[in-house]
Amino acid sequence: DAGITQSPRHKVTETGTPVTLRCHQTENHRYMYWYRQDPGHGLRLIHYSYGVKDTDKGEVSDGYSVSRSKTEDFLLTLESATSSQTSVYFCAISGGTSGGRETQYFGPGTRLLVL
Amino acid sequence: KNEVEQSPQNLTAQEGEFITINCSYSVGISALHWLQQHPGGGIVSLFMLSSGKKKHGRLIATINIQEKHSSLHITASHPRDSAVYICAVSMGGSQGNLIFGKGTKLSVKP
Repeated sequence: DAGITQSPRHKVTETGTPVTLRCHQTENHRYMYWYRQDPGHGLRLIHYSYGVKDTDKGEVSDGYSVSRSKTEDFLLTLESATSSQTSVYFCAISGGTSGGRETQYFGPGTRLLVL
Repeated sequence: KNEVEQSPQNLTAQEGEFITINCSYSVGISALHWLQQHPGGGIVSLFMLSSGKKKHGRLIATINIQEKHSSLHITASHPRDSAVYICAVSMGGSQGNLIFGKGTKLSVKP
């Protein structure tokens, strides 16, 4: 298994509070992604990173920010959590050298409940 | 934007049956991925293919680039195959991110 961990694995928070999710990899992979998974939608891209301090928006980026100060860590921040951000969040990594023709490896997921 | 459609949404089979899950997409792709999501939530990559066919154990994945269609077959299904199977496509370019179908929930009864 690829070395990817996510923390926390479960979190309950209240509307309006800031929340930060962490993805940590030990594979030295260049690309890191944050997806959210919701019933009826499948997985959707929030933000991705193609190197240290290099990030870009995905399909559902509103209300989220990210940071990558080290190769191994990719942080997802909900500045002011809303109930619509209740979801399961997955981090994924890939080597990023073959234009998308690469396996992505997924973290175990974080279940976030915003009350 | 690429639309990824899977069918069926839900599938119940008896142990030993041959299973087919279909995936179609609307725009040309760099590669197509089949993923498995276990009941506990973990996601693992089964196949990545850009042409032809790949086989791993009892699983076979095929892709027809001209038809923009892929199938995942499971031979001699077993209850441990019960999971959600997800089709995803990558468009190439610098992003490398995947666009996902909504998944097919497979339940194999003993």
